[in-house]
Amino acid sequence: NAGVTQTPKFQVLKTGQSMTLQCAQDMNHNSMYWYRQDPGMGLRLIYYSASEGTTDKGEVPNGYNVSRLNKREFSLRLESAAPSQTSVYFCASSHGGVGNGELFFGEGSRLTVL
Amino acid sequence: QQQVKQSPQSLIVQKGGISIINCAYENTAFDYFPWYQQFPGKGPALLIAIRPDVSEKKEGRFTISFNKSAKQFSLHIMDSQPGDSATYFCAASPNSGGSNYKLTFGKGTLLTVNP
Repeated sequence: NAGVTQTPKFQVLKTGQSMTLQCAQDMNHNSMYWYRQDPGMGLRLIYYSASEGTTDKGEVPNGYNVSRLNKREFSLRLESAAPSQTSVYFCASSHGGVGNGELFFGEGSRLTVL
Repeated sequence: QQQVKQSPQSLIVQKGGISIINCAYENTAFDYFPWYQQFPGKGPALLIAIRPDVSEKKEGRFTISFNKSAKQFSLHIMDSQPGDSATYFCAASPNSGGSNYKLTFGKGTLLTVNP
């Protein structure tokens, strides 16, 4: 049981380049999330998808787009990467519903923008 | 606006000691308060969580204390072990009653337990 799988694990980009971070979960969860983690800043929500077919902005959505491709997959796209987007990105999923708020995280994707 | 304030930023404890991490929140709509543990190179993982209908929850060596009137909650790690060395995040979310929990995280506490 893989849980939440993110690809790639590491990526180096030049300013202005684009890329897509992929995330897939095999737990039949309804909700999926993208967070970024920066030193001293904790985890900040970029976008989330409450259910298949819906996406909403989180705390720091500027410079990013997302696609909920199906129930399993939720991708994060950087159209024109900037050095400020250097970060570790985490995808997470949750079953959702009242009384069940546990998020399951992937192992992260470390992105460096030069 | 930082909705969940966590302290301290770092903590060093001797093996067998008690580790205490504190969090305070502002949004009175928050009603779910989890703690996540993160080891280097890994994603965060749920450690323990509490809802405001109880003032304390204990799971093994880990205890959450919750003070609704003060809008504060804390994590206590009893008999701290070197294997507990990790970054700990408190978080909070409103219960949307639906299928998503938008967690707001604190900035994290790096705990080091010396042998």
